[in-house]
Amino acid sequence: AQSVTQLDSHVSVSEGTPVLLRCNYSSSYSPSLFWYVQHPNKGLQLLLKYTSAATLVKGINGFEAEFKKSETSFHLTKPSAHMSDAAEYFCVVRGLGANNLFFGTGTRLTVIP
Amino acid sequence: DAGVTQSPTHLIKTRGQHVTLRCSPISGHKSVSWYQQVLGQGPQFIFQYYEKEERGRGNFPDRFSARQFPNYSSELNVNALLLGDSALYLCASSPRPGDGLNYGYTFGSGTRLTVV
Repeated sequence: AQSVTQLDSHVSVSEGTPVLLRCNYSSSYSPSLFWYVQHPNKGLQLLLKYTSAATLVKGINGFEAEFKKSETSFHLTKPSAHMSDAAEYFCVVRGLGANNLFFGTGTRLTVIP
Repeated sequence: DAGVTQSPTHLIKTRGQHVTLRCSPISGHKSVSWYQQVLGQGPQFIFQYYEKEERGRGNFPDRFSARQFPNYSSELNVNALLLGDSALYLCASSPRPGDGLNYGYTFGSGTRLTVV
């Protein structure tokens, strides 16, 4: 079965400092992985995706994630946090043989001025 | 271009009632998926429709049903509402089912359903 575990329910960083949001995955095959962001009262927005090409994936707004098969991880990073990055972030894995996505429980990112 | 639009944005219903939620996909997108997001959790897959046919169903009871119309808009229906059905219901569209899985979906802002 496919699943993702987001290791932190809440992360707080100061503006201008690095961001690290952790995600481990479980999959019986080479997975397709995504990070989505959800701002208050807005729909989910795709940040980036990994589909078995380059292991370092660059997304929008300066975010990137590295696929590490040996660690079954797909952590999201950003060198310098901005106030507008405050939101809920979801790590997502594609379901096997099914037309669906499996979402993690989310990590709420707070950015302190 | 308009994004994925959902209506209504908020809704309050009483236990046992029926509710219909609506979704209009991005122009040109023929696939619509529905997700339920309970407070404090990630979204869970309910249904996917493509060309008016059901292409996938999540682990939800038969009280949940959906359909897609010739213009590719979609309705999600929930009968005999329970308190536990209170959630944000999200609609996502993509040109075809595989496109959303491979390249990401475009989500609407959702309908917040409260069952009292």
